[in-house]
Amino acid sequence: AQSVTQPDIHITVSEGASLELRCNYSYGATPYLFWYVQSPGQGLQLLLKYFSGDTLVQGIKGFEAEFKRSQSSFNLRKPSVHWSDAAEYFCAVGAFFNFGNEKLTFGTGTRLTIIP
Amino acid sequence: GAGVSQSPSNKVTEKGKDVELRCDPISGHTALYWYRQSLGQGLEFLIYFQGNSAPDKSGLPSDRFSAERTGGSVSTLTIQRTQQEDSAVYLCASSENQGAEAFFGQGTRLTVV
Repeated sequence: AQSVTQPDIHITVSEGASLELRCNYSYGATPYLFWYVQSPGQGLQLLLKYFSGDTLVQGIKGFEAEFKRSQSSFNLRKPSVHWSDAAEYFCAVGAFFNFGNEKLTFGTGTRLTIIP
Repeated sequence: GAGVSQSPSNKVTEKGKDVELRCDPISGHTALYWYRQSLGQGLEFLIYFQGNSAPDKSGLPSDRFSAERTGGSVSTLTIQRTQQEDSAVYLCASSENQGAEAFFGQGTRLTVV
């Protein structure tokens, strides 16, 4: 079974500073990896996803993530955060085309606070 | 509709009562997921539908929980004899097929008093 670990429960960064949110996964085959963002009172919105190919993927809102198989990681980055980036961020791994196990498994999330 | 629609948005119920939560997926999406998000917790997988069948029910926490999907579209999640620990936000998501992006609804906030 797959699992996801987000080691940082809460991160605070200054507006304009760079950001990296950590995600480690466990899965026996090549995973499908996702980052979702949940703003207060909102549903989850997909930021980016990795299925195959280039290990550096670009997403919406200026986010990017890099898949590192050797480290079983899929960290999310942004070079300069904006106050509107304050939200909860969830990493997820998908096991697809594997009958009986098609589901997204989410990490526990990282809450991002932006300070002026 | 334009997105995944869930109803009601909020539900307060007394302990021991049954509740039904509804999810209208995006038209044409064959895959449908239910998740539960408790306060301060991540998203807990409950059940997955492909069409009308549920190949993975492994996440349902007890036999008080059941779900069905009819016509490959609308799904209902039923919780019988609700308990206070059932209080959470129940999220529904749908995707075009396996491996595609999952679109989430706004969720139903269930409070059991």
